[in-house]
Amino acid sequence: DAGITQSPRYKITETGRQVTLMCHQTWSHSYMFWYRQDLGHGLRLIYYSAAADITDKGEVPDGYVVSRSKTENFPLTLESATRSQTSVYFCASSGQRQGGITNYGYTFGSGTRLTVV
Amino acid sequence: GENVEQHPSTLSVQEGDSAVIKCTYSDSASNYFPWYKQELGKRPQLIIDIRSNVGEKKDQRIAVTLNKTAKHFSLHITETQPEDSAVYFCAALFGGTSYGKLTFGQGTILTVHP
Repeated sequence: DAGITQSPRYKITETGRQVTLMCHQTWSHSYMFWYRQDLGHGLRLIYYSAAADITDKGEVPDGYVVSRSKTENFPLTLESATRSQTSVYFCASSGQRQGGITNYGYTFGSGTRLTVV
Repeated sequence: GENVEQHPSTLSVQEGDSAVIKCTYSDSASNYFPWYKQELGKRPQLIIDIRSNVGEKKDQRIAVTLNKTAKHFSLHITETQPEDSAVYFCAALFGGTSYGKLTFGQGTILTVHP
């Protein structure tokens, strides 16, 4: 869906560098999420946000920072990249209301493949 | 705590056969259960979902059933085709202050042999 976009699609960075992955959605969804996906580990939640300025830790938050100053953007920053953070990162959003019912189904972005060397 | 167990981890079927993937969840207050399909190198995509006030939902060759008493739900794919080959994830929305956060199962790799 074009309504949620991630950038960049691919990124190679060096150990110790700061990296920011971008996520932008055009639906004004309340909820936004960051997951990492590694072989054998499925989808692991890093951080999530219920609304602008409301964020909380997920399952694997160490080494990551998020912010959400605007509803449509939810950037993820790796403060000092490590090789263990090599992964595919997915952003997702949900929370559209239709007829008084909230849709909790996620729409995922296309993902960012991050390699830390 | 919030937990979703998914079985089997791998499933191999012949084209035309049915495939069934099962998930159990821990919180009886859970009220929303989606299924996602992820093809190789692609993003997960929602294929069907069910709410706790419904026992079964169908969409062409796929269906989801929910047993609230036993706290489990299942994905059924009939007349499987090679393009059904993918990783399938179940998920559950747990009650309380979940902020819309889904808890995912570990995934099932489905292979459909022509």
